[in-house]
Amino acid sequence: ETGVTQSPTHLIKTRGQQVTLRCSSQSGHNTVSWYQQALGQGPQFIFQYYREEENGRGNFPPRFSGLQFPNYSSELNVNALELDDSALYLCASSQSSGTGDEQFFGPGTRLTVL
Amino acid sequence: AQTVTQSQPEMSVQEAETVTLSCTYDTSESNYYLFWYKQPPSRQMILVIRQEAYKQQNATENRFSVNFQKAAKSFSLKISDSQLGDTAMYFCACLNAGNNRKLIWGLGTSLAVNP
Repeated sequence: ETGVTQSPTHLIKTRGQQVTLRCSSQSGHNTVSWYQQALGQGPQFIFQYYREEENGRGNFPPRFSGLQFPNYSSELNVNALELDDSALYLCASSQSSGTGDEQFFGPGTRLTVL
Repeated sequence: AQTVTQSQPEMSVQEAETVTLSCTYDTSESNYYLFWYKQPPSRQMILVIRQEAYKQQNATENRFSVNFQKAAKSFSLKISDSQLGDTAMYFCACLNAGNNRKLIWGLGTSLAVNP
């Protein structure tokens, strides 16, 4: 059974650029959630995708957008990058959108915005 | 607004001893779930233990157990027989069972297990 994978591991961008982060969910999982974890902070919920549709969103501006594909992998896109977007971005997959289901996390993508 | 508070930024414990990490939360929902996650230095987040709010019995997972006090909105984690591999950041999190599927996290507690 393959776990949750994320790419790339590290990324450096400059202000104003756009970035796409990728996540492959664990086999059999149809739900993907994305989180932003700033240094020394707890994760902040960005949004969740269930069967290719957005299924909940946190307090992030519209320049944070996402996609989920038929194979349940997912992308997080961030436009017009700002310095404060520098963080670890975590992806988690789960078996359904049931609220108590365990979320399995990937290793994260470390984004640095200069 | 839903909040999770972890009041202990750092803690340490000797190997084989017991340590308790504190967490309080606030939610207006009647049905919700509570979690403790562990994030080792390698940074991959791992679920430690889960508690359904409607269950009175405290959850246990081997050396890990919780003290869930619903009226006080308290959800502490007890680690027994601490091991060096327990060294990590520990996050408490709360998930409402309604349509709003945000998992709200505390700031974390950094636990060091010393030999």
